[in-house]
Amino acid sequence: AQTVTQSQPEMSVQEAETVTLSCTYDTSENNYYLFWYKQPPSRQMILVIRQEAYKQQNATENRFSVNFQKAAKSFSLKISDSQLGDTAMYFCAFFPQETGNTPLVFGKGTRLSVIA
Amino acid sequence: DAGVTQSPTHLIKTRGQQVTLRCSPKSGHDTVSWYQQALGQGPQFIFQYYEEEERQRGNFPDRFSGHQFPNYSSELNVNALLLGDSALYLCASSHLRTVSGYTFGSGTRLTVV
Repeated sequence: AQTVTQSQPEMSVQEAETVTLSCTYDTSENNYYLFWYKQPPSRQMILVIRQEAYKQQNATENRFSVNFQKAAKSFSLKISDSQLGDTAMYFCAFFPQETGNTPLVFGKGTRLSVIA
Repeated sequence: DAGVTQSPTHLIKTRGQQVTLRCSPKSGHDTVSWYQQALGQGPQFIFQYYEEEERQRGNFPDRFSGHQFPNYSSELNVNALLLGDSALYLCASSHLRTVSGYTFGSGTRLTVV
């Protein structure tokens, strides 16, 4: 069974600074997807960024980028130029590549606070 | 384009009662998954419905059951409520043939007293 571990329950960062959230996972699969989701107080889970395991290039979405280390099974999220609106819970999630009825597996989350 | 809609947003029930939560998937999606998120935890998979059948189930007791209707909407039913069932219940819709196309609703906050 796949597991996802987020070892930082809480983090804080000054506005405009950079912060990195950590995630490790365990799987025997070779092809899969990894995601970072943001959950603000509104509760809706919002997709921040995704990475296909077969792609060596790290995914980037504006101020958000990942450091994907497949051999180490590590998938960290870097937020640059942090903004107050980035304050939220962040969840790392794993998904096998094959389509079908396989669910997302989530980590326990990291609570990020951006301080003015 | 409407996303995933869940109702109600909040609910308070008494131990032993039964509850039904509802989810309307995003337009074009045919698969609905339900997750339970306890306070301070990540979402835990309950079950997934496709073509009106339960296709996969997480480690949840039979008190948790569901249904999917021909229009792809879904219900989550919980019988004999326990205090530990208090949580945020999230619905996510996707298209079975589209990898990683999960869209989440804002959830139903269930409090059991």
